[in-house]
Amino acid sequence: DGGITQSPKYLFRKEGQNVTLSCEQNLNHDAMYWYRQDPGQGLRLIYYSQIVNDFQKGDIAEGYSVSREKKESFPLTVTSAQKNPTAFYLCASSSTGMADNEQFFGPGTRLTVL
Amino acid sequence: AQKVTQAQTEISVVEKEDVTLDCVYETRDTTYYLFWYKQPPSGELVFLIRRNSFDEQNEISGRYSWNFQKSTSSFNFTITASQVVDSAVYFCALSHSGNTPLVFGKGTRLSVIA
Repeated sequence: DGGITQSPKYLFRKEGQNVTLSCEQNLNHDAMYWYRQDPGQGLRLIYYSQIVNDFQKGDIAEGYSVSREKKESFPLTVTSAQKNPTAFYLCASSSTGMADNEQFFGPGTRLTVL
Repeated sequence: AQKVTQAQTEISVVEKEDVTLDCVYETRDTTYYLFWYKQPPSGELVFLIRRNSFDEQNEISGRYSWNFQKSTSSFNFTITASQVVDSAVYFCALSHSGNTPLVFGKGTRLSVIA
């Protein structure tokens, strides 16, 4: 089955630790995205990548880092510089075609800072 | 800058009632895409519909229908004969091409009561 997987589903972090959230897709999509969702809020863009080995900052990139070494994978690292990382993180991917450009989302990772 | 406004934060209806979720957008682009996503309690976003700026035809899919009006920059979503399974948070979103990030509204939480 084609789709997007995110792991882990739940993640607990101590203050001062870096953690990495995994996102993998087998949809052969060129573009991948990371969004953050806080309670009662819409999704806000952290980073996105339109092609391997290239990525762009979104609206709230401070305290986060990403890599795109493979088309299928787009991991997100939440660094200790992120002041308030407790949130729900969603990864998405999309094709670059105009006819079918909807983004497909993974199940999300809920990160809690202890 | 692009912006999406969902003025209704929460809506509660009794089963079998019709309900309309409002979405107003702002963009300077002449070509753009509008989307609706459903977020059930599990958290994963489910794609419902995509509309491009050149296609103002309304769309119906089962109990769901969408009304796109460029004159008022609105893309409203109606659920006919609502069911308990429709209870979720619904997001309206906007993008200007196939592989660019989505700009989300803050979502409308719909509760359908049996």
